[in-house]
Amino acid sequence: RKEVEQDPGPFNVPEGATVAFNCTYSNSASQSFFWYRQDCRKEPKLLMSVYSSGNEDGRFTAQLNRASQYISLLIRDSKLSDSATYLCVVPRVDSSYKLIFGSGTRLLVRP
Amino acid sequence: EAGVVQSPRYKIIEKKQPVAFWCNPISGHNTLYWYRQNLGQGPELLIRYENEEAVDDSQLPKDRFSAERLKGVDSTLKIQPAELGDSAVYLCASSVTSGTYNEQFFGPGTRLTVL
Repeated sequence: RKEVEQDPGPFNVPEGATVAFNCTYSNSASQSFFWYRQDCRKEPKLLMSVYSSGNEDGRFTAQLNRASQYISLLIRDSKLSDSATYLCVVPRVDSSYKLIFGSGTRLLVRP
Repeated sequence: EAGVVQSPRYKIIEKKQPVAFWCNPISGHNTLYWYRQNLGQGPELLIRYENEEAVDDSQLPKDRFSAERLKGVDSTLKIQPAELGDSAVYLCASSVTSGTYNEQFFGPGTRLTVL
């Protein structure tokens, strides 16, 4: 089983829609999680950090389900500018601080 | 404040040729990372530096890849000789220090094509 798994998509939604992505992780001891956003041919940028049960920032909500070992990212009122790939990131639970990136979920928001 | 700077942005070479990538991290960031990102995949760590010391190079293919960060600031990643499978985007990132809660800032990457 991969350390971090994501549905590659693409998710094709109209403007204004609500969309959610899930990410599963294999290490039950993981404590922190991140969502990075990567635009086409650009570098990844931190979107949101999740340290407890969840986090909310405007239209974006991240929720953590430790029992089922998954994190979700919910985007409300989708904008055209939300079109991007969303990378789920889980740090290794050791002294390496190594970030393990999922393969990403691609979102396309259409007019 | 300037972000992470990388050069070149694009590089096309023939197999068996050498290639080098350069990275200048954000000022004050002690930790520097080199990642490789294949098409449709997330970035994978190649090497991590704490100042000038390589503290995690377990994923660096040492037969052909080398890296250095001599003065604890700029870094160079080299491939010699390049193979077709090395075609990817090579991303440099930096953070204030290492640690789970320290955000990593990525540079724009170098897109390598090996023919």
